[in-house]
Parts: sequence; C-alpha cells; structure tokens
Amino acid sequence: DGGITQSPKYLFRKEGQNVTLSCEQNLNHDAMYWYRQDPGQGLRLIYYSQIVNDFQKGDIAEGYSVSREKKESFPLTVTSAQKNPTAFYLCASSIRTGKSVKPQHFGDGTRLSIL
Amino acid sequence: ELKVEQNPLFLSMQEGKNYTIYCNYSTTSDRLYWYRQDPGKSLESLFVLLSNGAVKQEGRLMASLDTKARLSTLHITAAVHDLSATYFCAVGPLGGGADGLTFGKGTHLIIQP
Repeated sequence: DGGITQSPKYLFRKEGQNVTLSCEQNLNHDAMYWYRQDPGQGLRLIYYSQIVNDFQKGDIAEGYSVSREKKESFPLTVTSAQKNPTAFYLCASSIRTGKSVKPQHFGDGTRLSIL
Repeated sequence: ELKVEQNPLFLSMQEGKNYTIYCNYSTTSDRLYWYRQDPGKSLESLFVLLSNGAVKQEGRLMASLDTKARLSTLHITAAVHDLSATYFCAVGPLGGGADGLTFGKGTHLIIQP
C-alpha cells in the first residue's frame, strides 16, 4: 500500500544538537510538506517543496532546514537555532498540478522532545 | 495573511444530538479541506470543498462552503461515540497549486454515551 513513512516516531534532542526527521513517500507525489503541531493548536507550515531540488519557506521556517534530493524523500533538520523544538511534526504530500485541489496525505508524525 | 478560525474549540455532546462546527477564513480562497485527527495520530482527509454552495456528506458528517461569507460548516447528525476526535479545517491559497495549507486550531469533539 502507498503511503508516507515518518521516522523515528519519538525523538529526543539535547541542547545544541541538530536532529533530522525522516519522511519518505511512495505515492509518486511531487509536492511534500512539513508541519509543526503544538498542543491545542492547529498545524503550522514549516517548509514545502513542489519539485525535486526546490523548496520554499513556510510560516515558521526559522531554526529548520530541509533538502529535496529525491522525489520520495523530504528530510527535516531541527537545528540548535530552534529554541523551542518540542512539538509533533507531521509530513505530508500531495499531487502537484496546475490547480491542484487534492487533499494532502499525512504521515503518522514524529514527536520531538528536549532532554 | 490568511487566517483560519474555528469554533468552538472544544465541544462535549451526547450521543444522538446534532451539532455544527464553524470555520471562518480571512481572505478569498477556492478550496477548503476538513480533516479528522484521533489522539496521537495523523490526519485523515474527510472533505474537499471547491465551490460556493458545495455540500458533501459522508455518513453522519456533512460539510458545506459559502465562499462569499468565507465560511464552512461541518454538521454532525445523531452523533455517535466513534466520531469523537479533533476536527480541523484548512484553507489553500486562491488559485490552487501545491502551496501549503493554513489550518484552524481544531475542534476537540467528545461524544458521550
């Protein structure tokens, strides 16, 4: 079955450490997204990528970085510059067309905490 | 800047009752999505609404869109416990494309027997 795989499910970060969250999809979707969810809050867009080797900042990109070297993969690095990284991180993907209106498909998320 | 507001943010209701969740958004858009999230889980797509007056129904859930009022509603009919979850509306920028969505804060729905 096609889907989105996020790993790890739980991740702990030490002060000053960078950590990378993995997101892989086998849906053959062009567009991929990273969202952050805080308790009692909606999702906020961190970065998104519409095609390989290209990505754009979302609303809260500071302290995060991404790469898109392969269509299937869109890893997110939480850098030490992100002072409040504790959150639930969701990766999503969607079909990219001229006027894409298909819903985004979401992975199961990675829960990041500070040690 | 696109803003999306949902209300109520928390709703406790009894089985068998009807209720409506509201989603207002601040700028013109031509697509609105409803998602469901169970505790600690991912988001599941429920509805995609694309045009003024659009209405979609799935089981006990019905969603509608009024683009002139910038308002979408999610109506629950004769609620059952299995519908307990957090429901999010999300809006995409006008013109479509694969840009990210702007989400409301979600409505945490508890349905009690």
